[in-house]
Amino acid sequence: ELKVEQNPLFLSMQEGKNYTIYCNYSTTSDRLYWYRQDPGKSLESLFVLLSNGAVKQEGRLMASLDTKARLSTLHITAAVHDLSATYFCAVDSTLSGGSNYKLTFGKGTLLTVNP
Amino acid sequence: DAGVTQSPTHLIKTRGQQVTLRCSPKSGHDTVSWYQQALGQGPQFIFQYYEEEERQRGNFPDRFSGHQFPNYSSELNVNALLLGDSALYLCASSGNRDFDEKLFFGSGTQLSVL
Repeated sequence: ELKVEQNPLFLSMQEGKNYTIYCNYSTTSDRLYWYRQDPGKSLESLFVLLSNGAVKQEGRLMASLDTKARLSTLHITAAVHDLSATYFCAVDSTLSGGSNYKLTFGKGTLLTVNP
Repeated sequence: DAGVTQSPTHLIKTRGQQVTLRCSPKSGHDTVSWYQQALGQGPQFIFQYYEEEERQRGNFPDRFSGHQFPNYSSELNVNALLLGDSALYLCASSGNRDFDEKLFFGSGTQLSVL
């Protein structure tokens, strides 16, 4: 059974600081996703990482994937209050050539950015 | 493009009742997946529909069933509701995995079981 672990689960940081959220998973996968969720809202897709060494950046967020270590990171640079949300990583356990998108999610990291 | 739409947005039921949730996928998508998100947890995969058939299923009891219609829209049915079924139910749609990287989520249905 695929397990996805995120840490930390809670993160309180000051504006302007940098921090990294870690996502470990237990079995081989070729796709990893990062989502953002605001309170009471749905999931907003941030990044899709498709191969070992993949790195994607959008604004103050940068995600990377190391499939050999089964580890993905979401790095936050110079945090601002608007980044406050819950961040989820999710791993696609679908086998190559199989059907679509069966995602296993981590428990999420609740990020609070304080002024 | 309306994206993934779900209805209703909120629902209150009592134990033992049955509920039906509805989802219309994003235009051009033919696959619908359902997820359950309990408070403070990540979403959990319930099942997936493609070509009007259940294609994959997560670790949920038979009380959870679904349907997909020819226009690709989908329903999630839950029978004999339990208090533990209270959660946000998310619908996600996708196209061909080899050509469409993203899984798009709807805004969800918040189900409360009293």
